[in-house]
Amino acid sequence: AQSVTQPDIHITVSEGASLELRCNYSYGATPYLFWYVQSPGQGLQLLLKYFSGDTLVQGIKGFEAEFKRSQSSFNLRKPSVHWSDAAEYFCAVGAGRGGADGLTFGKGTHLIIQP
Amino acid sequence: DAGVIQSPRHEVTEMGQEVTLRCKPISGHNSLFWYRQTMMRGLELLIYFNNNVPIDDSGMPEDRFSAKMPNASFSTLKIQPSEPRDSAVYFCASSQQVGNQPQHFGDGTRLSIL
Repeated sequence: AQSVTQPDIHITVSEGASLELRCNYSYGATPYLFWYVQSPGQGLQLLLKYFSGDTLVQGIKGFEAEFKRSQSSFNLRKPSVHWSDAAEYFCAVGAGRGGADGLTFGKGTHLIIQP
Repeated sequence: DAGVIQSPRHEVTEMGQEVTLRCKPISGHNSLFWYRQTMMRGLELLIYFNNNVPIDDSGMPEDRFSAKMPNASFSTLKIQPSEPRDSAVYFCASSQQVGNQPQHFGDGTRLSIL
């Protein structure tokens, strides 16, 4: 069975600083990987996805993530954060066929932006 | 385009009552998923459907939980009888089965069982 670990429960970053959120996954085959963001009282919004090909994927809102098979990681990055980026971030892995199978989520990382 | 629509947004009811959560997937999507989010367990997959057929219900916690998808545009998740530990946010998501399309989530139903 697949699993996802997000080691950081909370991260505090100053506005304008760079950001990296960590994600490690466990899955026997080539994984389908996702990052979602959740604002308070809202659903999950897809930031980016990795299915195959280029291991550096670009997403919305200036986010990117890099798939590293050797490290079983899919870390999320942003060069300069904005106060509006404060939210909960979830990494997820799919067993196959992209989004057609159920996703396994990490416990999330709560991002706090300092002015 | 309309996203995934869930109703109600909030539900407060007493223990023992029947609860029905509703979901309308995005038009054209043929996979539908129900997730539950709690502080203790995070986001968990409860059940999912492909082409209205339940594929994996291993995440449904107990027989008190049941889900149906009578047609491509509607699904329900029912809890009967409800218990306080069922209090959570329940999310519905949908996706297209072909083309490696990601899942799109609704805004969730916040359920409180007193």
